Amino acid sequence: GAVVSQHPSRVICKSGTSVKIECRSLDFQATTMFWYRQFPKQSLMLMATSNEGSKATYEQGVEKDKFLINHASLTLSTLTVTSAHPEDSSFYICSARGHHDHEQYFGPGTRLTVT
Amino acid sequence: GQNIDQPTEMTATEGAIVQINCTYQTSGFNGLFWYQQHAGEAPTFLSYNVLDGLEEKGRFSSFLSRSKGYSYLLLKELQMKDSASYLCAVVTGDYKLSFGAGTTVTVRA
Repeated sequence: GAVVSQHPSRVICKSGTSVKIECRSLDFQATTMFWYRQFPKQSLMLMATSNEGSKATYEQGVEKDKFLINHASLTLSTLTVTSAHPEDSSFYICSARGHHDHEQYFGPGTRLTVT
Repeated sequence: GQNIDQPTEMTATEGAIVQINCTYQTSGFNGLFWYQQHAGEAPTFLSYNVLDGLEEKGRFSSFLSRSKGYSYLLLKELQMKDSASYLCAVVTGDYKLSFGAGTTVTVRA
């Protein structure tokens, strides 16, 4: 099956700093990648959709200047949390979809803790 | 907006059967997924329904009725390792997934 990786798996940063999370599709070309956020005991909330070579589409209520998404190639998307605050502490999960696929393949997630 | 409802928690005994219901009211429908998620891990794919009816895969089956906006996931011969959160997710358009809040299933010995 299709494999999606995320790096790092866990990160702790200080308030006010920026953190970059990478999402890679390892064995297929991902035309679309999605970024989700999940708070404890809650479900996944879609933050943004990114298509290779174009600007990401953000969901309502998600600040595009705070959560910078770059989808520079068909196998890599990055999410940068800028000027992180403790309330940004969450589980961030990416998923990827191939061109002819209805299924999304999820990465293992990144646990972000902002102190 | 999207409205996807599923029970918060269910408890069952090892070897038993549990049915998790999901009702949805969404703007657009291109299929429904069920995912299993263990704490601290990413969701893993269980099933996908786009046509009405029952899809069976080993111990897990999923049913869809598009006219009723209803799906269920049936877990048979429950094992301790099935204790997890089960997420219902509707494909609403442009391949976006809208997730329900998840059902936490606890399997007791």
